[in-house]
Amino acid sequence: GENVEQHPSTLSVQEGDSAVIKCTYSDSASNYFPWYKQELGKRPQLIIDIRSNVGEKKDQRIAVTLNKTAKHFSLHITETQPEDSAVYFCAASNPAGNQFYFGTGTSLTVIP
Amino acid sequence: KAGVTQTPRYLIKTRGQQVTLSCSPISGHRSVSWYQQTPGQGLQFLFEYFSETQRNKGNFPGRFSGRQFSNSRSEMNVSTLELGDSALYLCASSLGLDEQFFGPGTRLTVL
Repeated sequence: GENVEQHPSTLSVQEGDSAVIKCTYSDSASNYFPWYKQELGKRPQLIIDIRSNVGEKKDQRIAVTLNKTAKHFSLHITETQPEDSAVYFCAASNPAGNQFYFGTGTSLTVIP
Repeated sequence: KAGVTQTPRYLIKTRGQQVTLSCSPISGHRSVSWYQQTPGQGLQFLFEYFSETQRNKGNFPGRFSGRQFSNSRSEMNVSTLELGDSALYLCASSLGLDEQFFGPGTRLTVL
């Protein structure tokens, strides 16, 4: 089955700096890659996603890149703010969209 | 639209007991997935239901089971509880092919 690895497990950045979180996946058939943000004590919420027919997607300060050949995708957050502090999870979905494999999460701390 | 709801929010059980958790998806969503979240392990997939049929199952023992009703509400059952079953159990609903919307979770503590 699919295996998603996520790095780093913890990340601290100064406010205003950029943060990058990387994930790799093993199943070349996976075709949908969402990123979720989970604040302390809250439910995971989708922040951005990308499909396998797209190489990059941006939404304001957040961007995701996908390299299908290398089977890795990354989350980029620019101009970080304290409210970006949370745990971020990457995921990969099988083509049927009925099974999601999650990374183990990255705890991001933005230092004011 | 109302979001995904889960009941109960907190549960304390002892080893050997069984437990049933409930999930009500967003109206119109027919897919419900269940996940176990533990520190350091991320979200581990338990199973997914669509229109009352289990379409996929993760790598968990048979003590973990689920079902979905005709109104798309889903229940998850864990029998013969073990200490290691203590976790946050999340359900997520979707239209079936993309974004999953998560519920607030049920925090299960096994003593």
